[in-house]
Amino acid sequence: EPEVTQTPSHQVTQMGQEVILRCVPISNHLYFYWYRQILGQKVEFLVSFYNNEISEKSEIFDDQFSVERPDGSNFTLKIRSTKLEDSAMYFCASSGWGSEQETQYFGPGTRLLVL
Amino acid sequence: TQLLEQSPQFLSIQEGENLTVYCNSSSVFSSLQWYRQEPGEGPVLLVTVVTGGEVKKLKRLTFQFGDARKDSSLHITAAQPGDTGLYLCAGGNSGGYQKVTFGIGTKLQVIP
Repeated sequence: EPEVTQTPSHQVTQMGQEVILRCVPISNHLYFYWYRQILGQKVEFLVSFYNNEISEKSEIFDDQFSVERPDGSNFTLKIRSTKLEDSAMYFCASSGWGSEQETQYFGPGTRLLVL
Repeated sequence: TQLLEQSPQFLSIQEGENLTVYCNSSSVFSSLQWYRQEPGEGPVLLVTVVTGGEVKKLKRLTFQFGDARKDSSLHITAAQPGDTGLYLCAGGNSGGYQKVTFGIGTKLQVIP
């Protein structure tokens, strides 16, 4: 069964450093998303991406964040200068088209720890 | 801002009991998903409901979308220890590129 994959599974970084989180969405999906989940809190939407551009973003997704689809398979989230409060699980998700648009499939997550 | 309230937030029951968890909002959603999440892992989709009043069954799990598409319930019959986990509801808006709003989840523990 097709699945969303994410790398790395864990990332430890120093405050102020740049990190890039990588995702490979399900191959025939057209819509891509990033969410985050701070420990003990709910899953929060960050950004959605379609047709090579951001379609919606939350107030969390400030200028420190960017997304890119550098090739036909990868979808990345970059945090330019990490802060302590960026420590969280980051989930990538993708969804298909037509009736499949309603359902987002999630990857296993990247646990980011900022020291 | 759309919010989804889940209740109860914690539930501990004995194996074999039935249970229902609820997901409520004042907002209308075009679809509602139920996910299950294990610690340190991503949400795993259980079901999507899109039509008001829709009922879907997945083995011992029954999902219902409210007529007004503002609420949903998950009923588990004869719970088993393997059902232990965090159950999340998530509401979507029409147009697949739009965000999904998650509830905080119901943490279920089924005691053997």
